[in-house]
Amino acid sequence: GNSVTQMEGPVTLSEEAFLTINCTYTATGYPSLFWYVQYPGEGLQLLLKATKADDKGSNKGFEATYRKETTSFHLEKGSVQVSDSAVYFCALSAQKLVFGQGTRLTINP
Amino acid sequence: GAGVSQSPSNKVTEKGKDVELRCDPISGHTALYWYRQSLGQGLEFLIYFQGNSAPDKSGLPSDRFSAERTGGSVSTLTIQRTQQEDSAVYLCASSPRGWQPQHFGDGTRLSIL
Repeated sequence: GNSVTQMEGPVTLSEEAFLTINCTYTATGYPSLFWYVQYPGEGLQLLLKATKADDKGSNKGFEATYRKETTSFHLEKGSVQVSDSAVYFCALSAQKLVFGQGTRLTINP
Repeated sequence: GAGVSQSPSNKVTEKGKDVELRCDPISGHTALYWYRQSLGQGLEFLIYFQGNSAPDKSGLPSDRFSAERTGGSVSTLTIQRTQQEDSAVYLCASSPRGWQPQHFGDGTRLSIL
């Protein structure tokens, strides 16, 4: 079946550090891939998406590239801020969304 | 508003009682999902409605849980004979079609005493 595996958290970084949150998936066919973010006390929001191999999704300085050869969709940001502290969920879509377990990110000033 | 609306935002009830949680999806969205998020845990899929098709109930944890979607719009998640382990945030999401990005509500925080 379809599944998503995320880097286990929590992840703690200092402001302006480089961020990578790993995500790999297992799926039949060619799913779309997503990153969702959940800020403290808020609901989930779509952060970025990629619908086919080699597509790069980007938003708010975050990027992720759909890598079919490695079945990965790692989330990256060059310089994180305190306001990026949140839980990040990787997900794939093949008729319905399948989420990873989430990675809690804390950025210290 | 234009977003997914859930009610109540918080619910505290005694063990053994039944509860109903409501979700108003974005108008025109044919796909509706329920998830459960326990403290410090990820998203646990519960049930998925897509148009008039039979719902995917594969995530419901027990027969105490049920959901319906009336008229292809509003959905109600019902938990009968609640147990303490049912305490969680219950999230609803909708999307134009099943494979498209989902829009989430703010959730209902359920606490079973």
